[in-house]
Formats: sequence, structure tokens, C-alpha cells
Amino acid sequence: DAKTTQPNSMESNEEEPVHLPCNHSTISGTDYIHWYRQLPSQGPEYVIHGLTSNVNNRMASLAIAEDRKSSTLILHRATLRDAAVYYCILKSAGGFKTIFGAGTRLFVKA
Amino acid sequence: EAQVTQNPRYLITVTGKKLTVTCSQNMNHEYMSWYRQDPGLGLRQIYYSMNVEVTDKGDVPEGYKVSRKEKRNFPLILESPSPNQTSLYFCASSWWSGERNEQFFGPGTRLTVL
Repeated sequence: DAKTTQPNSMESNEEEPVHLPCNHSTISGTDYIHWYRQLPSQGPEYVIHGLTSNVNNRMASLAIAEDRKSSTLILHRATLRDAAVYYCILKSAGGFKTIFGAGTRLFVKA
Repeated sequence: EAQVTQNPRYLITVTGKKLTVTCSQNMNHEYMSWYRQDPGLGLRQIYYSMNVEVTDKGDVPEGYKVSRKEKRNFPLILESPSPNQTSLYFCASSWWSGERNEQFFGPGTRLTVL
């Protein structure tokens, strides 16, 4: 599986949008982009995934660059509950392994 | 409620004393996996299973064993635990390899080996 690069930490104000970037310059054509987050003292939880097109769900939006070498997770209105470590992961077609990077720790200020 | 359960949640043991951490899911998922999480090293995959009786090594399998005799259960076995296996362990499951489908994680097991 290809690797991803994320900033170590980011800070946001409550009720403002947050854009969490992820670089994956070695992504292959069949790699899916997944995002998970880990709240304090909990296991990771799925947020969103996509292949080429931008994706929206109840938790977040995923914007994927046209060349697929980067993506951005968008939280439209950050809440204190969104303070967590966010992981960007690539999953290859038929791939069974999962490689988590260091993730981005998001701090949300009231 | 759809969930992944792990037992025990906390365990303190001594070097060399065999232990098993159980993992069970009630979603009929084919794919299950074990991870360990350590400060500064993040989440690393230990073993995974694509279905009953089919398992394979992840990135850090040394010192661990797994078995998948039933679809719902995927125990992690430490035959002779050592202090470097002190860690936070997570079990996860999904419908299949997870290329498209989300993984559901358990609440974690904090293991201390003295």
C-alpha cells in the first residue's frame, strides 16, 4: 500500500470549517482513499472514503484532487467532539493490509 | 447493536504467562484484523483474516498467534508475553478486505506485561 503524509496537528475554532490535507503522491489508479478518526480513549472510527470523485456523507466531505495525489477531509462545522486524530489511508484493490500513518491531531477551540 | 467486542479491556500480566485476548463481531463480517497502538508508532497491523481458517501476517506479527475457527471470533494469543508487547490492542472487522468497506473497531485492550 502506498504511503500518505499528513500534518502532525491542526487547530480550529468551534463552528468553523476545517480542511485536513493528505498527500499521497504514489497512489495507484485502483487505490481507494479512506479517512478514519480516533477520539480520545476510543478505537478508530470510519469517516469517509472515495476513489476519484468528491464524496459527502453525514460526517464530512472528501475532496480529491484531479491527479489524485492529494485529498482533503472537510468538516463543515467543527465541534468540540471533533477533536481527534484523523488518519488518511490508502487501500489497494484486493489489498488485505491496512497501514495507518501518524495522522493529524485536530484541536478544536471553544 | 452492531459491534466488535474485546475481552478483557485491561490486563496486567507477567513475562512468559500465556494469555488470550478475545475478539467477537456480530455483523457476519468476513474480514477481521488485530492492531497494536504505541506512542509515537501509531497503529500497526499484527494479523488479519480474510475468512474462517484463512489468516495472514501484518506488519508486526512476531510474538503473536491468531486463529479463526468461527466467523465471528478472532482471538489474539500471546504464547510467552514480553514487556515489549505492552501496548493498546484493537480488533477490527469489515465485510471483506476493506478496499471499499469500512472497518469497525473494538474498544481496545490495554495490556501491560511486567
